Amino acid sequence: AQSVTQLGSHVSVSEGALVLLRCNYSSSVPPYLFWYVQYPNQGLQLLLKYTTGATLVKGINGFEAEFKKSETSFHLTKPSAHMSDAAEYFCAVSDALQGAQKLVFGQGTRLTINP
Amino acid sequence: DTAVSQTPKYLVTQMGNDKSIKCEQNLGHDTMYWYKQDSKKFLKIMFSYNNKELIINETVPNRFSPKSPDKAHLNLHINSLELGDSAVYFCASSQGAGPLVKLFFGSGTQLSVL
Repeated sequence: AQSVTQLGSHVSVSEGALVLLRCNYSSSVPPYLFWYVQYPNQGLQLLLKYTTGATLVKGINGFEAEFKKSETSFHLTKPSAHMSDAAEYFCAVSDALQGAQKLVFGQGTRLTINP
Repeated sequence: DTAVSQTPKYLVTQMGNDKSIKCEQNLGHDTMYWYKQDSKKFLKIMFSYNNKELIINETVPNRFSPKSPDKAHLNLHINSLELGDSAVYFCASSQGAGPLVKLFFGSGTQLSVL
């Protein structure tokens, strides 16, 4: 069975500092990996996704993530945090062999940005 | 205009009651989903409909019954509510049903069973 573990339920960084949100996955088949973001009082939005090919994936709002098969990781980064990045971030994995979209999510990481 | 809207946003009810949560999407998508977020914030899929046909039905008690009257709507009816049903329920939609599709989520319905 697939699973996702997000290390750190709460991450706090200063404005302008590097953002690093950690995600490790477990999958018996080649995974599709996603990061979703949830801003306060809104639904989840797709930040980026990894399917195949290039392991460094760029998403919206300056975020990127790198797929590392040897480490079973898909960490999310942003070089310089902005106040508007404060939100809940969810990593998810999808079974590439499944016929239907069935995401398995991590428990989320709340990102706080300090002025 | 909200793309995926759920009503109500908050639902407080007594054990044993029957309640419904409604979801509507105006994106023209053909696939809709219900996810449950538990107290530890894990999101788990419950159901998915593609063109009004049930395509995903996870291990969910029979008390939960989804209904899709048309492609733009997916409602969730819950019978005989239990304390353990307290959670945030998210509706989502996508165009297509494959493993790579982008999901669009509603803002959630927080259900509290007393």
